[in-house]
Amino acid sequence: GNSVTQMEGPVTLSEEAFLTINCTYTATGYPSLFWYVQYPGEGLQLLLKATKADDKGSNKGFEATYRKETTSFHLEKGSVQVSDSAVYFCALSDNTNAGKSTFGDGTTLTVKP
Amino acid sequence: EAGVAQSPRYKIIEKRQSVAFWCNPISGHATLYWYQQILGQGPKLLIQFQNNGVVDDSQLPKDRFSAERLKGVDSTLKIQPAKLEDSAVYLCASSLVGTQYEQYFGPGTRLTVT
Repeated sequence: GNSVTQMEGPVTLSEEAFLTINCTYTATGYPSLFWYVQYPGEGLQLLLKATKADDKGSNKGFEATYRKETTSFHLEKGSVQVSDSAVYFCALSDNTNAGKSTFGDGTTLTVKP
Repeated sequence: EAGVAQSPRYKIIEKRQSVAFWCNPISGHATLYWYQQILGQGPKLLIQFQNNGVVDDSQLPKDRFSAERLKGVDSTLKIQPAKLEDSAVYLCASSLVGTQYEQYFGPGTRLTVT
């Protein structure tokens, strides 16, 4: 079956540090890939997405590139802020399996001033 | 635009009791998802509907869990009888049809089974 593997957390960074959260996936076809974020006390919301190989999704200074050859979708940000502290989830939607959705276990990011 | 609505927000029951959760998706969203999220883990898909039909329910414990989506809009997830390990947050999400579309999540129902 499909799976999404995220780097183990939690991750603690100082403000303005560079962020990478690794995500790799296993899927039978060519899925769409997503990063969702859950801020403290709030619900899950979309951060960015990419729907085909080599696409780059971006939002709020975050970026992730769909790498088919390495089956990866790593999340990056050049300079994190305290307000970026949240739980980040990588997810896929499998277009060969009627759009079945699979999430990773999440990575908790804490940014200290 | 109204978001995904869920109720109740919190529920505490004893093991072997039954419980039901309700979800109202965003208007026009034909795909509806129910997830179970245990503390410290990612959302686990229980069932995925497209309109009235079931797309996937391979991870739904069918001996105790059931779900329905009447008229392709609202949905209900039921647990009967509940076990201690069912304690979790139950999330409902909806999306347009197509894997390129993101999901919109409701606030979730936090279930505690004692």
